[in-house]
Amino acid sequence: EPEVTQTPSHQVTQMGQEVILRCVPISNHLYFYWYRQILGQKVEFLVSFYNNEISEKSEIFDDQFSVERPDGSNFTLKIRSTKLEDSAMYFCASSLGQSNEQFFGPGTRLTVL
Amino acid sequence: ILNVEQSPQSLHVQEGDSTNFTCSFPSSNFYALHWYRWETAKSPEALFVMTLNGDEKKKGRISATLNTKEGYSYLYIKGSQPEDSATYLCAFMGTGTGNQFYFGTGTSLTVIP
Repeated sequence: EPEVTQTPSHQVTQMGQEVILRCVPISNHLYFYWYRQILGQKVEFLVSFYNNEISEKSEIFDDQFSVERPDGSNFTLKIRSTKLEDSAMYFCASSLGQSNEQFFGPGTRLTVL
Repeated sequence: ILNVEQSPQSLHVQEGDSTNFTCSFPSSNFYALHWYRWETAKSPEALFVMTLNGDEKKKGRISATLNTKEGYSYLYIKGSQPEDSATYLCAFMGTGTGNQFYFGTGTSLTVIP
């Protein structure tokens, strides 16, 4: 059964460093998403991506964040200069259509020291 | 930011008991509601996509109903089994929110053998 994969599973970085989180969505899906969950809080939407561009982004997704689909299979989230408060579990998801069920990856735990 | 609430926050039931929990969301500008099942150390797994007022969906012993006019959805589990133990999340999308989903905090279900 196709699944969404994410790498790495855990990333530790120093404050101010850049990180790139990688995702491989399900191959025939058209919509891609990034979410995060800070420990003990709700899952929060960051960004959605369709047709090679951002279709929606939340207030959290400021200039420090960017997304790319560089090669037609990977979908990446870059945080340019990490802050302590960026420590969270980051989930990638993909779906066939806008209101279709989303398939989530296993997540990347980002720890910013 | 839209408010999506789930209740109860946690629930312990005996094996064989039936149970239900609630997701409340804004009653105006509804577009879609998703239910997810999230087991510890795994990624959220889609259960239902609900789009029409009065929708009732069923998957095995789990079913869900939707009332968009009053802004709630119920998830029912009939004859709970230990393997049903998980956190159940709902996510709301409104017509005015782009394709951004707003998640509830989840209901944590523990089924005691």
